Amino acid sequence: KQEVTQIPAALSVPEGENLVLNCSFTDSAIYNLQWFRQDPGKGLTSLLLIQSSQREQTSGRLNASLDKSSGRSTLYIAASQPGDSATYLCAVRQSGNTGFQKLVFGTGTRLLVSP
Amino acid sequence: NAGVTQTPKFQVLKTGQSMTLQCAQDMNHEYMSWYRQDPGMGLRLIHYSVGAGITDQGEVPNGYNVSRSTTEDFPLRLLSAAPSQTSVYFCASSYSRQNDEQYFGPGTRLTVT
Repeated sequence: KQEVTQIPAALSVPEGENLVLNCSFTDSAIYNLQWFRQDPGKGLTSLLLIQSSQREQTSGRLNASLDKSSGRSTLYIAASQPGDSATYLCAVRQSGNTGFQKLVFGTGTRLLVSP
Repeated sequence: NAGVTQTPKFQVLKTGQSMTLQCAQDMNHEYMSWYRQDPGMGLRLIHYSVGAGITDQGEVPNGYNVSRSTTEDFPLRLLSAAPSQTSVYFCASSYSRQNDEQYFGPGTRLTVT
């Protein structure tokens, strides 16, 4: 059974720091990995999607890498800002019995960036 | 495009009551699914649909029912609410292709007393 772990569970940094969030998964048979952002009381916003054949994806100050063989992904946030404060979730997409590619989520990293 | 919409945003039920959480998408996505989010447990799949008329169970289906009569709508029914169903419910959709990203609705926060 696929398990997704995110470390650390919480992170507090001063504004301007570069930081790395980690995600690991136990079964490397995935189609892709998606990073989401969730603000308190809100829904999930997709940040980056990395296909299983890709090594990394970039969007603005965000860079996500994927090492499928070792079951790891990292989300790098450059020059963090208070507006980056949120919970970051990673999820892997894998095939189910009926062909439905369900998402398996980690429990998230809660990030606080202080001014 | 409105994307994925959910109603209501908040709901309080008494134990034993029934209700339907609504989900709609206007992106012509074939795949739709329902997740619940509980503290410390991440999001877990309740039910999903791979197209109109086709639904199946996810990890935690007990106490919930779904149907998919149109491509756009995927309602989730709570048959007899229990306090264990207090949670935040998210609806998601994606194209049928396995490599597409999933889009999530804003969620429904349900409390069962």
